[in-house]
Amino acid sequence: DTAVSQTPKYLVTQMGNDKSIKCEQNLGHDTMYWYKQDSKKFLKIMFSYNNKELIINETVPNRFSPKSPDKAHLNLHINSLELGDSAVYFCASSQVLASSYNEQFFGPGTRLTVL
Amino acid sequence: AQSVSQHNHHVILSEAASLELGCNYSYGGTVNLFWYVQYPGQHLQLLLKYFSGDPLVKGIKGFEAEFIKSKFSFNLRKPSVQWSDTAEYFCAVKGAAGNKLTFGGGTRVLVKP
Repeated sequence: DTAVSQTPKYLVTQMGNDKSIKCEQNLGHDTMYWYKQDSKKFLKIMFSYNNKELIINETVPNRFSPKSPDKAHLNLHINSLELGDSAVYFCASSQVLASSYNEQFFGPGTRLTVL
Repeated sequence: AQSVSQHNHHVILSEAASLELGCNYSYGGTVNLFWYVQYPGQHLQLLLKYFSGDPLVKGIKGFEAEFIKSKFSFNLRKPSVQWSDTAEYFCAVKGAAGNKLTFGGGTRVLVKP
């Protein structure tokens, strides 16, 4: 059983397009995250949602808009894609409320290539 | 603001050699510490974590890490590596009361057969 899943796994698109990446977790966690991993493998958090509420919003262009329809899903929509958006995007989840450990579990990643 | 520094960007060693990867963090409070591994083409997997208690933490696949509070360090070790340990290793820190996980820049480890 996949704990944190992302679709699509690969996404190749042209500059200026709008695209979405979906994430789902079946761990019953209350918090979900989006991370960006650049070409140098540097990982940085972008957003975090707890029970559908945005709790972390790092310095990310407003072309990126996360949406959480329920606590098991956190989607990432990107408008007007730019070359610099090319990266691997990882979704993660953790249990924050009533949890001592708050360990984050990561999805397989979505490799986005903007041409 | 919290930050994490991994000293080695690339490490190359032979099978059966010992491995130690350095990690130092900056944070003004109680921390939770993690090491994640990313095998080629795969997602991040947790190797081990420290929340409290014994500062010597044992993880999966024979890895261990030692939290030295006075040095703000959480170095990862494995006594004898295998070819299958070839991967990227990430140290990460989180404030004990928060959710934000901050990663180091990663260390790419290549184990030659």
